[in-house]
Amino acid sequence: DTGVSQNPRHKITKRGQNVTFRCDPISEHNRLYWYRQTLGQGPEFLTYFQNEAQLEKSRLLSDRFSAERPKGSFSTLEIQRTEQGDSAMYLCASSPWTGNSPLHFGNGTRLTVT
Amino acid sequence: AQSVTQLGSHVSVSEGALVLLRCNYSSSVPPYLFWYVQYPNQGLQLLLKYTSAATLVKGINGFEAEFKKSETSFHLTKPSAHMSDAAEYFCAVSEGNTGKLIFGQGTTLQVKP
Repeated sequence: DTGVSQNPRHKITKRGQNVTFRCDPISEHNRLYWYRQTLGQGPEFLTYFQNEAQLEKSRLLSDRFSAERPKGSFSTLEIQRTEQGDSAMYLCASSPWTGNSPLHFGNGTRLTVT
Repeated sequence: AQSVTQLGSHVSVSEGALVLLRCNYSSSVPPYLFWYVQYPNQGLQLLLKYTSAATLVKGINGFEAEFKKSETSFHLTKPSAHMSDAAEYFCAVSEGNTGKLIFGQGTTLQVKP
């Protein structure tokens, strides 16, 4: 168990650019979640996958955001035409498909949009 | 819909003193509840979880939490604070079969020497 891995750890981009983040979950975990966390706030749910199927998307996930998990393993989160309001920590978590197992979080990707 | 309220965005205690972080939940079904800790620039680490087996739950690093249905509370305690306990603490409730967690806004714990 090597834990959930997120890359990059930090990303600085200019407004209007596209960015993509990657998450590698714990290998035997079927479920993968993306959250966004801004300073002084708790994590907010964005979307989740069960294997390769994206089962739920939050209203927070505007049309500029897209997430994929093509082979049910790693996942990517892309933000198009970034805005300053997108600056946040993006957290990925995974869990096994067994009832209400706790989520295992990665260390996050901190995005700064200038 | 489930929700979580953490009372007190900042709590300050002296080293060796009791730690009490408050969490109240709202849920239409028997809840699954969690406490996580977050250190600066890191992800969230699970402290403990309540899944209806026992109302008093023991976690890592000497923390424990008691589920009180009548008060819809799940407060986190530790008898004696250590400097290394200074961090952000989040209470969360699990939403149904999705396994999705709904988090409170967090409580920053400061430990003074």
